[in-house]
Amino acid sequence: DTAVSQTPKYLVTQMGNDKSIKCEQNLGHDTMYWYKQDSKKFLKIMFSYNNKELIINETVPNRFSPKSPDKAHLNLHINSLELGDSAVYFCASSRAGTGGDEQFFGPGTRLTVL
Amino acid sequence: ILNVEQSPQSLHVQEGDSTNFTCSFPSSNFYALHWYRWETAKSPEALFVMTLNGDEKKKGRISATLNTKEGYSYLYIKGSQPEDSATYLCALVSNFGNEKLTFGTGTRLTIIP
Repeated sequence: DTAVSQTPKYLVTQMGNDKSIKCEQNLGHDTMYWYKQDSKKFLKIMFSYNNKELIINETVPNRFSPKSPDKAHLNLHINSLELGDSAVYFCASSRAGTGGDEQFFGPGTRLTVL
Repeated sequence: ILNVEQSPQSLHVQEGDSTNFTCSFPSSNFYALHWYRWETAKSPEALFVMTLNGDEKKKGRISATLNTKEGYSYLYIKGSQPEDSATYLCALVSNFGNEKLTFGTGTRLTIIP
């Protein structure tokens, strides 16, 4: 059973489109995260939710909107996609949001904007 | 902006040799230090979460130490094996009131058979 799953694995789309990436965890964790792996291979936090409540919202364009229908799911919706949004996006979860718990990562979604 | 630095950036080690690399971070406002192992085409996997100064953790042939006063952590791999080839990331959590991980750029380790 996959602990943290993301769909789709690959997403190729045109500039200006709106797309969503879904994330689900079956670990019973309270906290979920979205990370972006940038062109320099850095992993940077975008958002985190604790039990459906937004905890971290980094300086991310408001074209990016996370949605957490329940604590097992955290989806990422991106409006008006731009070339610079091309990256690998990782979802992760942890037992609690204290920073003292290891995070479990999904397989990543490679987004390519043409 | 927190500056988490890892060195070296990449490393080639002969199979069977032992190796170590460093994660440096600001010592003020320290809360926790994470180590992750990231194999190519996979996702990062947690190795250790360390919170106490002087802490030493071990998992098989891999161990890590932590010095929060001077702001560094070492990761050691004993008797390197080809399956140890991966990028090793450290990530700092500060006590600013959120649980944000700030990642370093990683050390890319290649084991030469």
